[in-house]
Amino acid sequence: RKEVEQDPGPFNVPEGATVAFNCTYSNSASQSFFWYRQDCRKEPKLLMSVYSSGNEDGRFTAQLNRASQYISLLIRDSKLSDSATYLCVVRYGGATNKLIFGTGTLLAVQP
Amino acid sequence: NAGVTQTPKFRILKIGQSMTLQCTQDMNHNYMYWYRQDPGMGLKLIYYSVGAGITDKGEVPNGYNVSRSTTEDFPLRLELAAPSQTSVYFCASSQRRGTDSNQPQHFGDGTRLSIL
Repeated sequence: RKEVEQDPGPFNVPEGATVAFNCTYSNSASQSFFWYRQDCRKEPKLLMSVYSSGNEDGRFTAQLNRASQYISLLIRDSKLSDSATYLCVVRYGGATNKLIFGTGTLLAVQP
Repeated sequence: NAGVTQTPKFRILKIGQSMTLQCTQDMNHNYMYWYRQDPGMGLKLIYYSVGAGITDKGEVPNGYNVSRSTTEDFPLRLELAAPSQTSVYFCASSQRRGTDSNQPQHFGDGTRLSIL
């Protein structure tokens, strides 16, 4: 079983749609959680951290369920510019800040 | 504001050749990392460093070496290039501040390496 699992997609949605991505992680000792965005042939960039109480940044909402070891990302009112691969990322405990990356979910927003 | 800089951006090597991928950061970050990303796959950690003079293996270290003589630089060395090392290589850095574990990693633009 992969340490971080995501549905690879692609998710093809029209502009203005709401889309949700899910991610599960296998190690219950995981401490920190993130969503990164990666555009085609570009480097990953931090989209948002995920906090236990859930958090929102504009059109983006992230949720964490530690009991189910499950993370989600909700994008409302999708824009063409949201088209990218969304990477679920987990950090385990310890001093090294090592991250474990999911393989990513591809989102294509259609006009 | 340079951030994390990687060179070269593209390179083609022949089997058995050696090369060094350069990575430098100007944010005074303690932590630096090398990843590889194969098509359709997630990033895999090759090596990491928690400070100058300290390096450790990640998930896929075989065939690579690193050094960290300064805070700024973290070069990745391929000694005998093999076709299996064809990939996109990303360098990243981060800072740990006390008990705050949510410090993000900042990535360079990547080096696209082909071994033929």
